[in-house]
Amino acid sequence: DSGVTQTPKHLITATGQRVTLRCSPRSGDLSVYWYQQSLDQGLQFLIQYYNGEERAKGNILERFSAQQFPDLHSELNLSSLELGDSALYFCASSVARGFSGNTIYFGEGSWLTVV
Amino acid sequence: DAKTTQPPSMDCAEGRAANLPCNHSTISGNEYVYWYRQIHSQGPQYIIHGLKNNETNEMASLIITEDRKSSTLILPHATLRDTAVYYCIVRVHSGGSNYKLTFGKGTLLTVNP
Repeated sequence: DSGVTQTPKHLITATGQRVTLRCSPRSGDLSVYWYQQSLDQGLQFLIQYYNGEERAKGNILERFSAQQFPDLHSELNLSSLELGDSALYFCASSVARGFSGNTIYFGEGSWLTVV
Repeated sequence: DAKTTQPPSMDCAEGRAANLPCNHSTISGNEYVYWYRQIHSQGPQYIIHGLKNNETNEMASLIITEDRKSSTLILPHATLRDTAVYYCIVRVHSGGSNYKLTFGKGTLLTVNP
């Protein structure tokens, strides 16, 4: 158990809909990261927040957005869903905001299936 | 940007040491090398990281060459539960003072009985 909690574990929704994935970081961790893993793309970095502020952005679509709240939990919002958005979405957390010897720990992911 | 190159797959006999190589020839002087593994769609699991010196923990050892252009992850006594995709990662500059950890395709290690 990494200490990173993600909900829901599984989600099935229809195209055009909107969903919210939630992440609770490890106790004491200020950074939250979101990754997407689909069968043909591997693990893709989406976005990072540190103490409520966006720190780094990856291949995140405009239909997707994220935020980190004052209690440090984070939500990833996916809207106008398409079949290709079906994937495993991982949240990770770390104490610091960079990667200079900083370890990040991953949750078990949220399986999203768009039908 | 530093990138890594790993063999797509490797086999190892149970109980033997598994040596997983990684090339990171463009790594800069202050970049750490990280190793993670992923067991069939579970969350990636942190294994070890290092900068210049060799590192060891309860899971594995990391050997980094003196020129830092390559490294080897060693699982000293592989078990069937070590079958997984192993990722060697260095951070990638994403603008300003921001970086990200970018995962490649990794090495699928299969431990055989």
